[in-house]
Amino acid sequence: TQLLEQSPQFLSIQEGENLTVYCNSSSVFSSLQWYRQEPGEGPVLLVTVVTGGEVKKLKRLTFQFGDARKDSSLHITAAQTGDTGLYLCAGAFSSGSARQLTFGSGTQLTVLP
Amino acid sequence: DTAVSQTPKYLVTQMGNDKSIKCEQNLGHDTMYWYKQDSKKFLKIMFSYNNKELIINETVPNRFSPKSPDKAHLNLHINSLELGDSAVYFCASTPSRTGGPDTQYFGPGTRLTVL
Repeated sequence: TQLLEQSPQFLSIQEGENLTVYCNSSSVFSSLQWYRQEPGEGPVLLVTVVTGGEVKKLKRLTFQFGDARKDSSLHITAAQTGDTGLYLCAGAFSSGSARQLTFGSGTQLTVLP
Repeated sequence: DTAVSQTPKYLVTQMGNDKSIKCEQNLGHDTMYWYKQDSKKFLKIMFSYNNKELIINETVPNRFSPKSPDKAHLNLHINSLELGDSAVYFCASTPSRTGGPDTQYFGPGTRLTVL
């Protein structure tokens, strides 16, 4: 069973602060995705990382895939209230003839004005 | 234009009832999924269909029966609803089932409450 643990589970910070969310597993994934989910909506993809050690930037968000492709981090610089939401990492693996995602336990981020 | 739509948005029902949730995607994707998100926000896959064929069936009670009349639709029927079935159910779709990493496009969710 592929399990993904995210930390912290909850994070409340002031606008302008920096933060990092971690996603860890004992399993190797072929790729890893980060999604953000807002209340009453479905998750929306932020980024996909594929190569071990890969770093991707999306404006103030920086995503890194671990060298061994077992872990990932999401760093937000100068957080804004609009960053508030549930952040989910998801590792991709193949199960038989299908590709499947295992989602992490989630990090609920609240950015206060 | 709604990419992945689900109906109903909210569903409140009594224990023991049978209910259905419908999902439609207009993205032309081949693969569709049902996920269950519990009260702790943990999102777990239930089923996956590729072009009307069941390809993933996780450990889900057989009270849950997915049906795919065509590749744009994946419905979920639940028999004899139990309190533990209360959750938010998400439908999602991706372009293909294998190959490179695909974006999962999620619907808005159906919040099921079993009383």
